[in-house]
Amino acid sequence: EVQLLQSGAEVKKPGESLRISCKASGYDFSTYWIGWVRQMPGKGLEWMAIVYPDDSDTRYSPSFQGQVSVSIDKSISTTYLQWNSLRASDTAIYYCVRHSREGCDADCYLPHIDNWGQGTQITVSS
Amino acid sequence: DIQMTQSPSSLSASVGDRVTMTCRASQTVSRYLHWYQLKPGRAPKLLIFTASSLQGGVPSRFSGSGSGTDFTLTISSLQPEDFATYYCQQSYRSPLTFGGGTKVEIK
Repeated sequence: EVQLLQSGAEVKKPGESLRISCKASGYDFSTYWIGWVRQMPGKGLEWMAIVYPDDSDTRYSPSFQGQVSVSIDKSISTTYLQWNSLRASDTAIYYCVRHSREGCDADCYLPHIDNWGQGTQITVSS
Repeated sequence: DIQMTQSPSSLSASVGDRVTMTCRASQTVSRYLHWYQLKPGRAPKLLIFTASSLQGGVPSRFSGSGSGTDFTLTISSLQPEDFATYYCQQSYRSPLTFGGGTKVEIK
């Protein structure tokens, strides 16, 4: 069974740094795109970034480029989302997601998301 | 970016009702349109991928249709566990984008 186990909720102050994690299990971590989706309070979903663990190819949505960084540790099948300086507007739930390897022909950018983590609530407040 | 517009933003329905919601893309997304179900405090769930393919384990009362720019998610007979928010997403072009969601509430 595929599982994406995310780290727990965090309460931080503006300007602080943070790294949250997502540990994958139940599949070959190296060969599936894995990434992050944001849900701000009362809002919809926003796709942030993805990484392909096998070669560390990392891609960011333009909206999040330079705002966060994504990294992996293949030895423990874990991906990370990191902020160097948090803002109040970073308050949100962050979901770890795995993209399928199927359902995407040569004309599509990525396959669909087939598994989600339970979400990590980040609260940034002074 | 491809803009995804869902309608309605919310609807009220009763158990047993047939429910339909739509998703429109600002440009073609071919068949690369997917539907997800979100419930508070739960991991989101894939329902339909590539417009009409039912994800394994998802009840057959869920169905999807459409191609190009206009898509539909239908729940043939609403069940108590289906009260949730539904999002469409395109994966045709980067950045991937989601619709604003349709919240299905109990009438």
